[in-house]
Amino acid sequence: SQQGEEDPQALSIQEGENATMNCSYKTSINNLQWYRQNSGRGLVHLILIRSNEREKHSGRLRVTLDTSKKSSSLLITASRAADTASYFCAILSGGSYIPTFGRGTSLIVHP
Amino acid sequence: GAGVSQSPSNKVTEKGKDVELRCDPISGHTALYWYRQSLGQGLEFLIYFQGNSAPDKSGLPSDRFSAERTGGSVSTLTIQRTQQEDSAVYLCASSLGIRTEAFFGQGTRLTVV
Repeated sequence: SQQGEEDPQALSIQEGENATMNCSYKTSINNLQWYRQNSGRGLVHLILIRSNEREKHSGRLRVTLDTSKKSSSLLITASRAADTASYFCAILSGGSYIPTFGRGTSLIVHP
Repeated sequence: GAGVSQSPSNKVTEKGKDVELRCDPISGHTALYWYRQSLGQGLEFLIYFQGNSAPDKSGLPSDRFSAERTGGSVSTLTIQRTQQEDSAVYLCASSLGIRTEAFFGQGTRLTVV
C-alpha cells in the first residue's frame, strides 16, 4: 500500500492567518482522510473526501482533491492558537482497507 | 464506551521482557487497526482486523509481534522479548465499516530500557 506525503513538514503562522497543507500520493485512491494529532497522542478525524469529490468543508476547514494531480490540500482559515498540532493525510488505496499515513505537517499558530 | 480505550497509557519495561497492550474499540465497530509511531514520525501500520475475517498481519515488523482480537471486540498486541527499537507510541483505532473514518485511542507509550 502507498502513503501520502505531506508538505510542508513544518508551518509557523500568526493567529488569524490561513494555513494550507498539501498531500501528494502516487496511485489511485478510494478516499483520502485528514487527521489532527495533539501532543503526539491520539489522532482526531477531520474530513474524509472520496475520489469522486472535489471539495468538502467543515467549519473553518476546507479540503480539496485533485485526482488528476494526485494531490489534496487542507486549508484552515482564520487560524487560532488551539489549531497548533500535527496534521496527517491518510490514503485508502483503491484495493486496500487500511489507511496509510504520511509523516505529517507540524503547524504552530502563534497568538 | 464513548471512545476507543487503550491501556496502559504508559509502559516502561526492561529489554527482553514481554509486554501486552490492550485496546477496547467502540462498541459495534467491526474494523480494528494497530499502528505505531516513533518520535516525530508518521504512523506505521501493524495489523488490521475486520469482523471474523483473518487479520491482515502484513505490517508486523517481526515474529516477536502478535495480536489477537477476542469476540470481535477487545484486542491485545503482544511484543515478546522487547528491544529498545520497540520504544514508540502504539495506537489503536476502530471504524464502523471498511473505508470509513477511524477513531483513535490515546495510545500506549512504550519505553524499553
